[in-house]
Formats: sequence, C-alpha cells, structure tokens
Amino acid sequence: DADVTQTPRNRITKTGKRIMLECSQTKGHDRMYWYRQDPGLGLRLIYYSFDVKDINKGEISDGYSVSRQAQAKFSLSLESAIPNQTALYFCATNPGGSYGYTFGSGTRLTVV
Amino acid sequence: GIQVEQSPPDLILQEGANSTLRCNFSDSVNNLQWFHQNPWGQLINLFYIPSGTKQNGRLSATTVATERYSLLYISSSQTTDSGVYFCAVVGAAGNKLTFGGGTRVLVKP
Repeated sequence: DADVTQTPRNRITKTGKRIMLECSQTKGHDRMYWYRQDPGLGLRLIYYSFDVKDINKGEISDGYSVSRQAQAKFSLSLESAIPNQTALYFCATNPGGSYGYTFGSGTRLTVV
Repeated sequence: GIQVEQSPPDLILQEGANSTLRCNFSDSVNNLQWFHQNPWGQLINLFYIPSGTKQNGRLSATTVATERYSLLYISSSQTTDSGVYFCAVVGAAGNKLTFGGGTRVLVKP
C-alpha cells in the first residue's frame, strides 16, 4: 500500500455540489497538508494540520474546509464547487520540522 | 514568505544530453526537496537536500545553503526524464513547504 493514499483519483462534479476529497497516511506522522496545483503552475497550500486538534489555513483556503478525523486521516471539502476550483489536489505528510514531505498521487477534480 | 525561483522554465533536450536545473530561494532554509512530476501528474520525490550533494543514478543535486541556491543535474537524459521538475523549500522561519514554478523538461528521442 502507498504511504499516502488519496481518493478518488479522478472526479467530475457539477457547479454548486459539495464534494469531499479524502487522504490517509500510514507513515504515522502528525503533520498533514492539502495542496492545489493549477495547470502550468507549482503547488499552493490550502490547509495544514500539525495534529488532530490543530487546523490552519494556508495561502488559498477560501472556498475550502478540512477535517482531521484521526492522525492518519485528513479530508478536504468543497462546500459549493465552482469551475475555477478545477485543479489537481495533493495531500502530503511529514514528521515535522525540517524533515522531508511525502505526497499522495493526487486527485484530479473537474468542476463543470 | 520565502520566494522560490526556478530556471529555466522550459528545457528541450536530445536523448543522451546532460542538463542543469537551478533553484534560487530568498531566505535560509531548513528543508529543500526536488520532485519530478511525471506526465500522469504524480509527484516523485527525488532528493531531500537542505545542504550538500547527493547522487542517485543519473541524477545528482547540490545545495549551497549559504548562497541560497540548489542545482539538479541530469546526465545522459532519457525520454522517461520528461516532465516537470519542482524545487520546494521550508524557510528557516517557516513551517510549510513552498514550491517554485517548476522547470518543464522534454527529452526527445
């Protein structure tokens, strides 16, 4: 099994719908992150969590919410999807501090 | 926040050629990673290299932290090296990974 698993891998949804992207990790790390990648650009941070009771906004959190259900699980929700949220979404984890990050395989989301 | 700039933005190589990708960052860093994003969108971790030099097969990387840059070397390039290469850092005063804009590499047979 992959260290960081994202579901679904691909999703097409309609404008106005609520959608949840899920992430689970088997690394045993406290820190988890959600990033967004638009075509031709680098990744930008949406939300991050340093433990189950700690949730923080990243640079582009508007229109998104998250839930940290357990150390291993971190979900991203789009409450009312809009077309400009069409992007590739990545979940990541690391043990903290200056240690390396491990990324999931990504979720390709299309909002029509 | 910390700024990360990568150059060149695009690179076209003939198979077998060597190349160097550069990453400049605006502040001291605790973490620097190089990733390869393949044509299917997957991010592959190449190196964790906040300082020093590492090698892995045909790839190697050097980070000169005092001068705020890192280099990724690709030797004897292959078509499977095509994709986008990202540099990402955690600033010494920060706690989150910040990405550069990437270098898009195309290796032609």
